[in-house]
Amino acid sequence: AQKVTQAQTEISVVEKEDVTLDCVYETRDTTYYLFWYKQPPSGELVFLIRRNSFDEQNEISGRYSWNFQKSTSSFNFTITASQVVDSAVYFCALSRTSGTYKYIFGTGTRLKVLA
Amino acid sequence: SQTIHQWPATLVQPVGSPLSLECTVEGTSNPNLYWYRQAAGRGLQLLFYSVGIGQISSEVPQNLSASRPQDRQFILSSKKLLLSDSGFYLCAWSIKGGVYEQYFGPGTRLTVT
Repeated sequence: AQKVTQAQTEISVVEKEDVTLDCVYETRDTTYYLFWYKQPPSGELVFLIRRNSFDEQNEISGRYSWNFQKSTSSFNFTITASQVVDSAVYFCALSRTSGTYKYIFGTGTRLKVLA
Repeated sequence: SQTIHQWPATLVQPVGSPLSLECTVEGTSNPNLYWYRQAAGRGLQLLFYSVGIGQISSEVPQNLSASRPQDRQFILSSKKLLLSDSGFYLCAWSIKGGVYEQYFGPGTRLTVT
């Protein structure tokens, strides 16, 4: 069975601090995709990144970076120099590469960035 | 560019009343379409997905149903709402041909009283 665990329910940081959101997944598939989404207070989910299981290179996009480690089944997300606008719920998701392509979402981590 | 619309934005309905939520996508053809529900403080639960007109797959047994009468239109319905149907309903779309990111609409917040 597939599962995504986001053990951090809520994190509070002060603006300009770095913060890492953890995502641990379980799957028996050898190929799969991982995703991160941001849900601001408005409610709409915003796509952040898609990563294929074959590509273990870390990725950086501005203040965002992702660390994918197949050995520990983790796909962690780091925000550098956090800003108040980063306050949101962040979801990690897992998808198979065949069949319905449906996502298995984690329960989300609420990030509060305090000014 | 592609745009996804959902309406209404908010809805308050009494128990036992019918429901119809609509989702439309612009700027793309033949997308995969999805309905999710997010209960308060919880993660997202996939309710239905569709790979084409009239093709609906249900993920969770419940008193909800979905239809896709047109290529870019996805409707979520219920004949009689339950209190447990309250939540935030999100529609999403993705392109076909592989595993691609899903793009979500603004959502409908449903309160069943």
